[in-house]
Amino acid sequence: GAGVSQSPSNKVTEKGKDVELRCDPISGHTALYWYRQSLGQGLEFLIYFQGNSAPDKSGLPSDRFSAERTGGSVSTLTIQRTQQEDSAVYLCASSLNGVNTGELFFGEGSRLTVL
Amino acid sequence: GENVEQHPSTLSVQEGDSAVIKCTYSDSASNYFPWYKQELGKRPQLIIDIRSNVGEKKDQRIAVTLNKTAKHFSLHITETQPEDSAVYFCAAIGFQKLVFGTGTRLLVSP
Repeated sequence: GAGVSQSPSNKVTEKGKDVELRCDPISGHTALYWYRQSLGQGLEFLIYFQGNSAPDKSGLPSDRFSAERTGGSVSTLTIQRTQQEDSAVYLCASSLNGVNTGELFFGEGSRLTVL
Repeated sequence: GENVEQHPSTLSVQEGDSAVIKCTYSDSASNYFPWYKQELGKRPQLIIDIRSNVGEKKDQRIAVTLNKTAKHFSLHITETQPEDSAVYFCAAIGFQKLVFGTGTRLLVSP
């Protein structure tokens, strides 16, 4: 596609429910990143996928968070048993061959509100 | 791992003035330093970047400087305009991922 696409754009859920957020990166981009942006805060790294390598999960805040990337393209971020502190904008980004070689292109984000 | 600090958190200037945002990083192996601009409700977008083999880079009204010895880099915006109002993030590479600063909210008043 023309850019990084994320869905849903907005999600309101009740505490304790599971949510899935989807990211469709730019076609041909091998690197995919998830970041979290809380209200008025910076960009917190969550997880990084590069080609067929094992993902870098070092930023996931708890075991309630997981992500997968199928077929080297679409990625899904799953948050289980959501908590109010999970409320944030979840941003996906992709780059051609990893950040060392090129720009990160961000999606518009998925705004998650946990009531 | 890499740690990036950014100052100031908020910056207000008059149209036409210059604005400077400063960042420090901790990992001396970092070699790539981009700056992203995020307008209200929009996605972050790259505005300029610099690699460690140069000390300064300019693109029209914006410039970035890098001091590897001191491990700091700065964004300079000259002749600011109201459309420059946004949140600006610096970043540095740490283990193949970008580590971002906490952002600077720049407000340019007409």
